Amino acid sequence: ETGVTQSPTHLIKTRGQQVTLRCSSQSGHNTVSWYQQALGQGPQFIFQYYREEENGRGNFPPRFSGLQFPNYSSELNVNALELDDSALYLCASSSGTSTEETQYFGPGTRLLVL
Amino acid sequence: EDQVTQSPEALRLQEGESSSLNCSYTVSGLRGLFWYRQDPGKGPEFLFTLYSAGEEKEKERLKATLTKKESFLHITAPKPEDSATYLCAVQAGGSYIPTFGRGTSLIVHP
Repeated sequence: ETGVTQSPTHLIKTRGQQVTLRCSSQSGHNTVSWYQQALGQGPQFIFQYYREEENGRGNFPPRFSGLQFPNYSSELNVNALELDDSALYLCASSSGTSTEETQYFGPGTRLLVL
Repeated sequence: EDQVTQSPEALRLQEGESSSLNCSYTVSGLRGLFWYRQDPGKGPEFLFTLYSAGEEKEKERLKATLTKKESFLHITAPKPEDSATYLCAVQAGGSYIPTFGRGTSLIVHP
């Protein structure tokens, strides 16, 4: 167990709806990254937050947004859900942004969009 | 554009049958190459980070090596509990964005 928790574990939504996914980082970690993992694919980087500021963003549209709170927990919000948004959403926390800092992944939230 | 290709896509081994997984990469200035293990329905679990060609790291039955174009994950005398998907990722110079491969699904039969 990494100490990174995510909620909910599973979620079913319909096209056009909005969803909020939550991540609680490992104690002492100030950096959180969010990934989307489609079935049979590797994780794709969505964005990273460092000390409550967005620190980098992958190739995802603006309807994917996030927040990091003072206690370093985090949210991923997705608006106007599309069928292709169905995937496993992973968060990973680390104690910094450098390559040397190990990322610890949570178990993920599996989102199904109908 | 950074690219990571893992092969084979799937690998079936008998217990004790050693083998290697390959991760080929194209990146502008490698900062780090990462190996993760992912069990079904779970998040990836960190295994190794390699930084420069010639570097090697070991952990139990696993050994990761790095050249300028590829990395290998060698599995010596695997056990059924080594069955998982193994993911490779690279991070390029000046970027916080890691690029993952699609993974190799390993099944070890008793």
